[in-house]
Amino acid sequence: GQNIDQPTEMTATEGAIVQINCTYQTSGFNGLFWYQQHAGEAPTFLSYNVLDGLEEKGRFSSFLSRSKGYSYLLLKELQMKDSASYLCAVVDSNYQLIWGAGTKLIIKP
Amino acid sequence: GAVVSQHPSRVICKSGTSVKIECRSLDFQATTMFWYRQFPKKSLMLMATSNEGSKATYEQGVEKDKFLINHASLTLSTLTVTSAHPEDSSFYICSARSNWGGHTEAFFGQGTRLTVV
Repeated sequence: GQNIDQPTEMTATEGAIVQINCTYQTSGFNGLFWYQQHAGEAPTFLSYNVLDGLEEKGRFSSFLSRSKGYSYLLLKELQMKDSASYLCAVVDSNYQLIWGAGTKLIIKP
Repeated sequence: GAVVSQHPSRVICKSGTSVKIECRSLDFQATTMFWYRQFPKKSLMLMATSNEGSKATYEQGVEKDKFLINHASLTLSTLTVTSAHPEDSSFYICSARSNWGGHTEAFFGQGTRLTVV
């Protein structure tokens, strides 16, 4: 079966750095997305990785290791508005999006 | 990025009535759209895949006669919740798939909060 694992919840301090991990086992791989979702809202796109390595975009970076079936989202200089759920999603061989359950990130002052 | 518009954003209806939710791709043609349902504190659950001009493909456990999907054009898909019950209260999200730069991305509508009373 297809499986994506993320921690259920994480807590971090404003101004700090947090890394949210995602491991996956899917039938094929055509890319990995990270989405941010605030409570009561639809997900919004953060990043896309299809090749190994680190993609940096402002305060957010995403890393992928295809051989390990592993990705992480790194958030720097945390702000209170970063409190949200972060969803990892993998595109499988049929170009279907397989979703993780999401990681709820709580930012404390 | 591409824009997907979903309407309405919130709706309250009485038990037994039907509710229609629209999903439009505003600046691209979407041959495939997806309908998700999200329960509180849970991830997105794919309900069905909507293909333009053909019948939708429903995921296991989703009642196709209760959740009617119509994808009549390349820019519009609708989800109709028929004979709604309180347990149908949920957050419904549509997304449309777009291919760009050689990869696929899903763009999401704003979501619809359905409350059945």
